[in-house]
Amino acid sequence: AQSVTQLDSHVSVSEGTPVLLRCNYSSSYSPSLFWYVQHPNKGLQLLLKYTSAATLVKGINGFEAEFKKSETSFHLTKPSAHMSDAAEYFCVVSARINQAGTALIFGKGTTLSVSS
Amino acid sequence: EPEVTQTPSHQVTQMGQEVILRCVPISNHLYFYWYRQILGQKVEFLVSFYNNEISEKSEIFDDQFSVERPDGSNFTLKIRSTKLEDSAMYFCASSEGGGGTTDTQYFGPGTRLTVL
Repeated sequence: AQSVTQLDSHVSVSEGTPVLLRCNYSSSYSPSLFWYVQHPNKGLQLLLKYTSAATLVKGINGFEAEFKKSETSFHLTKPSAHMSDAAEYFCVVSARINQAGTALIFGKGTTLSVSS
Repeated sequence: EPEVTQTPSHQVTQMGQEVILRCVPISNHLYFYWYRQILGQKVEFLVSFYNNEISEKSEIFDDQFSVERPDGSNFTLKIRSTKLEDSAMYFCASSEGGGGTTDTQYFGPGTRLTVL
């Protein structure tokens, strides 16, 4: 079965410092992995996705994530945090269900706080 | 940029009442989904829908739930007799492709359902 574990429920950084949000996955086959962001009172927005092409994936707003099979990790990083990055971040794996469809399996989420 | 829309943004209902949550997926998308997020918990898959029928559903999606695409644009989730534990944020999503694990699902802003 597919699953993801987000290792930190809350991360606090100062504006201009690097961001690291950690995610480990479990999958019985080569996974498709995603990071979504949810700003307060907003929907879930796709940041980036990995689908077995390049292991370093670049997303929107300067975020990137590296797929490491040996470590079963897909950590999200950004070199320099901005106040507008404060939000809830979800690591997600896509799971095939039978032959008829897929479902996204979400981690519990990491709340990123950015202070000035 | 096309986006998934949901109405209403917030619905308050009495226990035992029927509610219908509405979604307008992105127009050229073929696969549709409902997820829910109970406060403080993970986002959970409810159901996927393709070609006017359910392609997969989770254990949560029992006989109290139903989905429908009544016309060419709307996708609805009906809860026949709401319970207190149905209180949650309900997200609609859609994807363009063939339902594979690499497909990106685009989410709406959610409907917050409160059952009193």
